[in-house]
Amino acid sequence: GAVVSQHPSRVICKSGTSVKIECRSLDFQATTMFWYRQFPKQSLMLMATSNEGSKATYEQGVEKDKFLINHASLTLSTLTVTSAHPEDSSFYICSASAFSTDTQYFGPGTRLTVL
Amino acid sequence: EDQVTQSPEALRLQEGESSSLNCSYTVSGLRGLFWYRQDPGKGPEFLFTLYSAGEEKEKERLKATLTKKESFLHITAPKPEDSATYLCAVIPNQAGTALIFGKGTTLSVSS
Repeated sequence: GAVVSQHPSRVICKSGTSVKIECRSLDFQATTMFWYRQFPKQSLMLMATSNEGSKATYEQGVEKDKFLINHASLTLSTLTVTSAHPEDSSFYICSASAFSTDTQYFGPGTRLTVL
Repeated sequence: EDQVTQSPEALRLQEGESSSLNCSYTVSGLRGLFWYRQDPGKGPEFLFTLYSAGEEKEKERLKATLTKKESFLHITAPKPEDSATYLCAVIPNQAGTALIFGKGTTLSVSS
């Protein structure tokens, strides 16, 4: 149980284009979803927290107009990187937790490369 | 400031050589402590949640324990497939639901 999927697993795009990453909880309802970014050999950096049906809460220093997060249902959240630039290249990971639990279950991650 | 420190940064073991990973935390009250395993190029895999001092949990060759200041992840008779980065994270009381991660311990087990 507690499976989280992400799609796509890898994406390569040109500078200036937008990229959408999907995160789905497959076997539970995720009241809260999280988006992280991870640089090589570093730990996870929280970007934003989203509750179903509400606006996302962004961490300090994360541009909300650049990283658009939508959590429209209890099983789906999306992260859209708008006008991507090479410095946005990174490993993006989502996680999800169910109602009244603190344990987060992570997706497999999406490797974004911006040329 | 809430903080999580993991040690050592890297650990090399021979197959069958048991050891422990440490996670010390400084938080204003602990709501929960979490252990994850992360393989290169993949998302973290959930291992354990601990809530109160004295609590212990086991899964195969892994055993996690918790005190008021730190947690240990004991690895008994490790195998090469246990090689990974082990991440510790906490959620403090009086906070939202965001995890505060340590930097991880990278474990390499050779046969």
